[in-house]
Amino acid sequence: SYVLTQPPSVSVAPGQTARITCGGNNIGSKSVHWYQQKPGQAPVLVVYDDSDRPSGIPERFSGSNSGNTATLTISRVEAGDEADYYCQVWDSSSDHVEVFGGGTKLTVL
Amino acid sequence: QLQLQESGPGLVKPSETLSLTCTVSGGSISSSSYYWGWIRQPPGKGLEWIGSIYYSGSTYYNPSLKSRVTISVDTSKNQFSLKLSSVTAADTAVYYCARAHGYSYGYWGQGTLVTVSS
Repeated sequence: SYVLTQPPSVSVAPGQTARITCGGNNIGSKSVHWYQQKPGQAPVLVVYDDSDRPSGIPERFSGSNSGNTATLTISRVEAGDEADYYCQVWDSSSDHVEVFGGGTKLTVL
Repeated sequence: QLQLQESGPGLVKPSETLSLTCTVSGGSISSSSYYWGWIRQPPGKGLEWIGSIYYSGSTYYNPSLKSRVTISVDTSKNQFSLKLSSVTAADTAVYYCARAHGYSYGYWGQGTLVTVSS
């Protein structure tokens, strides 16, 4: 089965740039989606199809995907960005199997 | 505005069947542009995809749960449902229903905690 690997934690100071990675075998050939989850809340889609943003998501959130790594980039990090972030793909090598990464806790120092 | 709401027992005994329903409002579950999924999250852990269903009734399940999961849709009620059989404590989790478009989940329910305990 397809495995997505995320770092457990990332820390960044306010105003700096946070980069959260999602590793997978040839993930660059798949569409990657990113979710933000704050404590006690449902996840919120922040980036879909590698680099597109849903309406209402700030331009500070961006994504890229190439080779074996997809990256969620959060520019000018704010205290309110502190949350867990999950990547997700549809494993096209299987009959419609969806996979989430293990999640990354973003801490704003 | 699309809304999804999970409902069902918050406590299930070991070996029994967990049953949840997701009621969709503000949009039709019969739209061919979307499909519907169940995702769960054990306390303090990450997200796990359980399975998905199209309005036509086509279903897809997580291979690790496939033998115990059934997802169905009731278009007349604008609802879809999850059944998970032979539950154990490892199935204790917050269960979310969600709508997908292009394989990303743009709308989620608030989630419901199901505890497996005698």
